[in-house]
Amino acid sequence: TQLLEQSPQFLSIQEGENLTVYCNSSSVFSSLQWYRQEPGEGPVLLVTVVTGGEVKKLKRLTFQFGDARKDSSLHITAAQPGDTGLYLCAGEKSGAGSYQLTFGKGTKLSVIP
Amino acid sequence: SQTIHQWPATLVQPVGSPLSLECTVEGTSNPNLYWYRQAAGRGLQLLFYSVGIGQISSEVPQNLSASRPQDRQFILSSKKLLLSDSGFYLCAWSVAVLGDTQYFGPGTRLTVL
Repeated sequence: TQLLEQSPQFLSIQEGENLTVYCNSSSVFSSLQWYRQEPGEGPVLLVTVVTGGEVKKLKRLTFQFGDARKDSSLHITAAQPGDTGLYLCAGEKSGAGSYQLTFGKGTKLSVIP
Repeated sequence: SQTIHQWPATLVQPVGSPLSLECTVEGTSNPNLYWYRQAAGRGLQLLFYSVGIGQISSEVPQNLSASRPQDRQFILSSKKLLLSDSGFYLCAWSVAVLGDTQYFGPGTRLTVL
């Protein structure tokens, strides 16, 4: 069972276009993290959202955590070729004595010059 | 500053052969350490995590084992590799187990033939 569903799985757009990718779940998360991974490298954290309804901006990237803390979105404005990569969301659930950070399968973004 | 190293970067092994992947962290003490596997189309799967020397928690029963002989060293091993062990293996560290940023190493690409 995949706790975090990311959509779309693949996305190919032209430079300058806007896009939104989604991370959805039926579970409530204490926090949600977004990572970007380039081919052959490890993921790098972009942002962590903690509060329901929270919006964080990182230059042209806008991250939103759903009010119910079950979903999140990443919006990129005026995409650039450097934005190309695999975008992963990861949800953290508080659990006594256990570690629970679940990753989605990711959205593979290609920005064409 | 903290850095995380993994080696080897790539590995091609025959079925039934042993495996040893190493991960070391510099610039921090008593980190929490993690091993993930990333198979194509399946996202990141947590295999093991460790909160201290000699303390290993397994998330998924399988053909692999992990050890932490030193504070900043984490080793992933197998006595006999299976075809299904192929994938991209990522080591990560964090300050706290739950809800904290994870910093990933460059990964090891393992191909079992």
